[in-house]
Amino acid sequence: QVHLVQSGDEVKKPGASVKLSCTSSGDTFATYYIHWVRQASGQGLEWMGVINPTGRSTTYAPKFQGRLTMTRDTSTTTVYMELSSLTSDDTALYYCAADGAGSYYRSNFFDPWGHGTLITVSS
Amino acid sequence: QSVLTQPPSVSAAPGQKVTISCSGSSSNIGYHHVSWYQHLPGTAPKLLIYDNDKRFSGIPDRFSGSKSGTSATLGITGLQTGDEADYYCGSWDTSLSHFVFGPGTKVTVL
Repeated sequence: QVHLVQSGDEVKKPGASVKLSCTSSGDTFATYYIHWVRQASGQGLEWMGVINPTGRSTTYAPKFQGRLTMTRDTSTTTVYMELSSLTSDDTALYYCAADGAGSYYRSNFFDPWGHGTLITVSS
Repeated sequence: QSVLTQPPSVSAAPGQKVTISCSGSSSNIGYHHVSWYQHLPGTAPKLLIYDNDKRFSGIPDRFSGSKSGTSATLGITGLQTGDEADYYCGSWDTSLSHFVFGPGTKVTVL
């Protein structure tokens, strides 16, 4: 079982970029697809994208195409999510979540989840 | 606007039962598995049900899931105050090529 630890909260100005990290102490982390999901205040859960175990394949929600980049450092078992051209609409709690299947399979259900990283975009 | 539809809220007294519907289409629920999540704002969402009707590890059997055609349902029996939360369904959507969550349903224990 993996345990996901996310980087700390950040405040960014409009137009800036933010790069979040998600890491695990579990030795099976390398076999998991990792998804990113966000929740803006008062809004529901929104799926952003997924990166495969090797880091060579990503799928992004069309809404974020062009300004979302997910990468993976297999040597440090860390996944990164970078979002550029930030606006106030990007103010949200961002979660990484492991795909429930593990073992290099993708099932599209999510467990476990990280604790969340709050990104505030404000001038 | 989500492609999955859920009621905004449901409520019942302690010990009673609630059901939450999740309606989609042939490109999502009609073709792919459904999962359900319990979420208290500010905390990590919790997986309850996966693959339409399988309870995740450690989830009490008060929680159940089902799917028929392009709709899915989450049932909660023996309602407890600790069940007050937002509940989300989710499924992959082939037409959109991404995962979609429903808008969420707030469960209130009267």
